[in-house]
Amino acid sequence: SQKIEQNSEALNIQEGKTATLTCNYTNYSPAYLQWYRQDPGRGPVFLLLIRENEKEKRKERLKVTFDTTLKQSLFHITASQPADSATYLCALDIGNTGKLIFGQGTTLQVKP
Amino acid sequence: DGGITQSPKYLFRKEGQNVTLSCEQNLNHDAMYWYRQDPGQGLRLIYYSQIVNDFQKGDIAEGYSVSREKKESFPLTVTSAQKNPTAFYLCASSGIAGTDTGELFFGEGSRLTVL
Repeated sequence: SQKIEQNSEALNIQEGKTATLTCNYTNYSPAYLQWYRQDPGRGPVFLLLIRENEKEKRKERLKVTFDTTLKQSLFHITASQPADSATYLCALDIGNTGKLIFGQGTTLQVKP
Repeated sequence: DGGITQSPKYLFRKEGQNVTLSCEQNLNHDAMYWYRQDPGQGLRLIYYSQIVNDFQKGDIAEGYSVSREKKESFPLTVTSAQKNPTAFYLCASSGIAGTDTGELFFGEGSRLTVL
């Protein structure tokens, strides 16, 4: 079955630096992959979606890459700010069922 | 404002009791989902529904039940058969199941604690 792995260790970086989070998956490549942000005690909020035929997607300070050969997506936050501190989840679809499976998330802490 | 509303936000229950978590959306979305989140774990799919009067089991459906009588409502019942029900429950919806967007809109969650 399809599995997703995100680095379970928290990522601590200094304000202004670029944060890079990793999402690896097994088995087949999904049609698309999504990234969400989750704050403590809140529901996740959608950030970006990247399709299998796209190498890179950008939105303001966010950048997502998708490498189907490596079965990996990287999520970058440039010029990071303390307000970026949160848990970031990657999710991918299961065929065309509309179902998404989620990684366990990586917690980012940006220190001023 | 359009959105998805879960209630209650916090719920305490004694062992052996069934509880029902409410989820309502006014986004006119076809698909709705229930996920469970435990500390240090990702979201796990309990049930999902792509259309009214139809729903499918997710990965951890045992001990749970749902109904989808109206497009905007997808309540989840946690039954006494669920062995470890204490968790954070998240409801979500999306526009059209099976499309290539599939962006999920989440509610604020319901935290269930079994005493």
